[in-house]
Amino acid sequence: EVQLVESGGGLVKPGGSLRLSCAASGFAFSHVWMSWVRQAPGKGLEWVGRIKSKTDGETTHHAAPVKGRFTISREDSKSTLYLHMNSLKTEDTAVYYCATDGGFFDYWGQGILVTVSP
Amino acid sequence: SYELTQPPSVSVSPGQTANITCSGDALPKQYGYWYRQKPGQAPVMIIYKDNERSSGVPERFSGSSSGTIVTLTISRVQAEDEADYYCQSADITGTYLVFGGGTRLTVL
Repeated sequence: EVQLVESGGGLVKPGGSLRLSCAASGFAFSHVWMSWVRQAPGKGLEWVGRIKSKTDGETTHHAAPVKGRFTISREDSKSTLYLHMNSLKTEDTAVYYCATDGGFFDYWGQGILVTVSP
Repeated sequence: SYELTQPPSVSVSPGQTANITCSGDALPKQYGYWYRQKPGQAPVMIIYKDNERSSGVPERFSGSSSGTIVTLTISRVQAEDEADYYCQSADITGTYLVFGGGTRLTVL
């Protein structure tokens, strides 16, 4: 059974940093592209960015609102995906989901809340 | 940046048909996908590659594509279909993924 479990969320002040983790199991993590998707309270889904597999160069792409502030990485030996968030803004407040990425999102984690507030 | 456009809301009576559209300039070249999200839950993919139903999704759900528009059709709508529905695709290069703004389906 595929499982994705996010952790690391919480309350952080504007300008602060946070690292989210996504522990994967039930599939060959190292072969799979992964993405982060977020959802601000009461708002729609927003793609944050993706990381390709090592075979595909571990290339990353980040959406414009987070480019230069957020970085996606992966640690295949631990089947874990990361989202490093710096220079956080109040508008980054959201539930953050990790998801398998085949150009679409067939498996999702349960989501983790990040609140950016003074 | 690339955008997908959905109507914010659609309302139908039980037993009727709901059509939710999603428009985007790259849709003739990129597949469209549909997700259903109920309150407090993660989204679930229900349609992939424009018109393929995900495993376990009732036949009442179907997808279609025509030019720059993909459409999710829900036949014989039931109360349990009330949810937010999102389309998703990619820009013309396939590099950047994007969601539509979401459509809230209300069953009257």
